[in-house]
Amino acid sequence: DVKVTQSSRYLVKRTGEKVFLECVQDMDHENMFWYRQDPGLGLRLIYFSYDVKMKEKGDIPEGYSVSREKKERFSLILESASTNQTSMYLCASSALHIEGISGANVLTFGAGSRLTVL
Amino acid sequence: QKEVEQNSGPLSVPEGAIASLNCTYSDRGSQSFFWYRQYSGKSPELIMFIYSNGDKEDGRFTAQLNKASQYVSLLIRDSQPSDSATYLCAVSPISSGSARQLTFGSGTQLTVLP
Repeated sequence: DVKVTQSSRYLVKRTGEKVFLECVQDMDHENMFWYRQDPGLGLRLIYFSYDVKMKEKGDIPEGYSVSREKKERFSLILESASTNQTSMYLCASSALHIEGISGANVLTFGAGSRLTVL
Repeated sequence: QKEVEQNSGPLSVPEGAIASLNCTYSDRGSQSFFWYRQYSGKSPELIMFIYSNGDKEDGRFTAQLNKASQYVSLLIRDSQPSDSATYLCAVSPISSGSARQLTFGSGTQLTVLP
């Protein structure tokens, strides 16, 4: 019954390494998101995509890039990992519309990827 | 800077009591309001949304919205230990369209004591 799958639950990387976080959803959702969650700071949007090959910066895009080559897959890339990117990364997806409400704001989250950068 | 403020807690209530979780927001243009629940070690899940002033009930949960005072609250009646979680308030300035504008609060940790 898993709908949003993140490829890695825990990762440990070294400073300067390139890191790929993969996310796949099976709900045919148009929107996909990458958030990071840190204690006391809540969920902060890094990037989101509303269509294949389309992306928009969120609130904290610096140091990250994304790729969406297929509708179901959204990848987050850390070009050169730094210690301040140690965090929990959450992928989410949403539909354009759900009857009666704005589907775009009804997010289904993946289980999360906890990244530690040493 | 659009802000969504929540008391981080922890908020402790005895089993069977009413838990009241509050959220204030700074953007007067906000139109849509959401409550997500996040169990420890798990990802958030949507439990309620509200668009109009007043109350909206769903089982033991009631969302209350007061746009004039810029606050939204979540009441949990007959609280159960299984309600122990962090509750995230999220606010959007529009009623439809891009979720890019969804702003989350940092969450309130609720503990229901048996």
